[in-house]
Amino acid sequence: DGGITQSPKYLFRKEGQNVTLSCEQNLNHDAMYWYRQDPGQGLRLIYYSQIVNDFQKGDIAEGYSVSREKKESFPLTVTSAQKNPTAFYLCASRTRAGSTDTQYFGPGTRLTVL
Amino acid sequence: AQSVTQPDIHITVSEGASLELRCNYSYGATPYLFWYVQSPGQGLQLLLKYFSGDTLVQGIKGFEAEFKRSQSSFNLRKPSVHWSDAAEYFCAVYGQNFVFGPGTRLSVLP
Repeated sequence: DGGITQSPKYLFRKEGQNVTLSCEQNLNHDAMYWYRQDPGQGLRLIYYSQIVNDFQKGDIAEGYSVSREKKESFPLTVTSAQKNPTAFYLCASRTRAGSTDTQYFGPGTRLTVL
Repeated sequence: AQSVTQPDIHITVSEGASLELRCNYSYGATPYLFWYVQSPGQGLQLLLKYFSGDTLVQGIKGFEAEFKRSQSSFNLRKPSVHWSDAAEYFCAVYGQNFVFGPGTRLSVLP
């Protein structure tokens, strides 16, 4: 089945540790996105990538980093610089940036900082 | 700049009643508009989208939405709500990037 997978579903981290969230898609999509979701705030864009080896900061990129070495993969690292990392993280992809296609979302990863 | 507002944080309706969820957007050009639904702990699923043409669009699960340019609105409707419709609903506008509203949580009474 085609789709987007995110792992792990739940992740616990101690303060001061970096952690990497996985996002893989087999939809052959060019564009991929990372969002953070907090209660009552909807989705906020962290980073996006329109093509392999290229990515741009979104609205709340501070304390996060990404890479896009392969078309299928767009991992997100939450660094110790992120002041309040506990949240639900959603990865999405779409055919290509600028198209009229919708975004397709993964099931999400819930990160909790202990 | 793009923005989306959803005035209702939480709505409760009885099963079988009609539903309307409000969405207002701000965007300088013709927007691409979307409604998504999210069950607890899950990703977002597309209900419907509007790009151009007929301003009344049909989606999955019996939902429809109407684009009103004069009111900058894209309200979601369903004539008869089912208990399984209880979820969070997000309106989104795509211009330079996707911008999501804060969401409306729908509760359904038996």
